[in-house]
Amino acid sequence: DGGITQSPKYLFRKEGQNVTLSCEQNLNHDAMYWYRQDPGQGLRLIYYSQIVNDFQKGDIAEGYSVSREKKESFPLTVTSAQKNPTAFYLCATRQGWTGELFFGEGSRLTVL
Amino acid sequence: SQQGEEDPQALSIQEGENATMNCSYKTSINNLQWYRQNSGRGLVHLILIRSNEREKHSGRLRVTLDTSKKSSSLLITASRAADTASYFCATDDMDSNYQLIWGAGTKLIIKP
Repeated sequence: DGGITQSPKYLFRKEGQNVTLSCEQNLNHDAMYWYRQDPGQGLRLIYYSQIVNDFQKGDIAEGYSVSREKKESFPLTVTSAQKNPTAFYLCATRQGWTGELFFGEGSRLTVL
Repeated sequence: SQQGEEDPQALSIQEGENATMNCSYKTSINNLQWYRQNSGRGLVHLILIRSNEREKHSGRLRVTLDTSKKSSSLLITASRAADTASYFCATDDMDSNYQLIWGAGTKLIIKP
């Protein structure tokens, strides 16, 4: 099946720990995105990548890091520098510069 | 970046009735998109309307766009219980590499 796979679906972290969320796609899309969603709010852009080995900061990049070593993969690391990391994280892809986004099923991170 | 605004924040109607949601935005756009999100899931693309279009239909969905008022509406006709979800509009920001700007969403509940 073509699509976007995010893992894990649920993740618990102790304060001070880094965690990495996985996003893999087999749609052959160039652009990949990470969004954060908090209850009752819209999506906020963390990082995006429009080509392998290149990525750009979004509106709320502080405390997060990414890599794009392969077209299929765009992992997000939530570092200990992110002060309020509990949220729902969504990965998305897009074929070109404009047009619709395709989303994974999300990863819910809870800090204990 | 600026967020779009959706109205109402929540809407509860009886099955079979029509549901109308509105979205306002602030920037010049290339297109406007509507997405649906079931609770705890990823977003699913519903429809895209370009800035030179005024109305678009897809099944029971009807979207209008008024660029002079910087607003759009999504109409779902003959609502079903399965339409219960949150609905988001997103506009691409021509001044920001066409990154999408998201509204906070309308939570729609269809009562059987």
